[in-house]
Amino acid sequence: EAQVTQNPRYLITVTGKKLTVTCSQNMNHEYMSWYRQDPGLGLRQIYYSMNVEVTDKGDVPEGYKVSRKEKRNFPLILESPSPNQTSLYFCASSHIGGTEAFFGQGTRLTVV
Amino acid sequence: EDQVTQSPEALRLQEGESSSLNCSYTVSGLRGLFWYRQDPGKGPEFLFTLYSAGEEKEKERLKATLTKKESFLHITAPKPEDSATYLCAVVGNAGNMLTFGGGTRLMVKP
Repeated sequence: EAQVTQNPRYLITVTGKKLTVTCSQNMNHEYMSWYRQDPGLGLRQIYYSMNVEVTDKGDVPEGYKVSRKEKRNFPLILESPSPNQTSLYFCASSHIGGTEAFFGQGTRLTVV
Repeated sequence: EDQVTQSPEALRLQEGESSSLNCSYTVSGLRGLFWYRQDPGKGPEFLFTLYSAGEEKEKERLKATLTKKESFLHITAPKPEDSATYLCAVVGNAGNMLTFGGGTRLMVKP
């Protein structure tokens, strides 16, 4: 089954404690991206990757890092999480940039 | 800068009561307009891609149309299981990022 898998689904952490949210896709897609979704602000892109070792900033990259060492994986790293990063996060992949994206099930992150 | 505005923000319908959701967009050269459905606590699920004015796509009770300035998602004889948030997104010639609208939350009462 074609899918984008994120882990964990739920995470509560404390300010400043580094964390990683993993994302994996099994569709051999070149393009992967991370979004955050907040009430009243909609979906906003954090980072994207057009292929292995190629990443770039989206609209809201501050406080986040990403890496793309393998085609199927695109982890999101929060080096020093803060409460304003409490949000619902989605990973997505698509064949190439600008085409229909397939989303993971989401990771609800709470930073206290 | 690409912009997408969806209206209404929320829509309550009775089962069987047809209606339309609007997506107005501003983009420098439209490469594609996408409709997604999102259920609470889940990731958006892809519905349609439209590429040029005049294009239409259908899936069950849903029909998406596109003009040069807006897209409509028509829902014919909706059922309670159609209740969800519907998201619209565009991508322009200038880049490859999807820009999303705020969504329309649809509630269909039996």
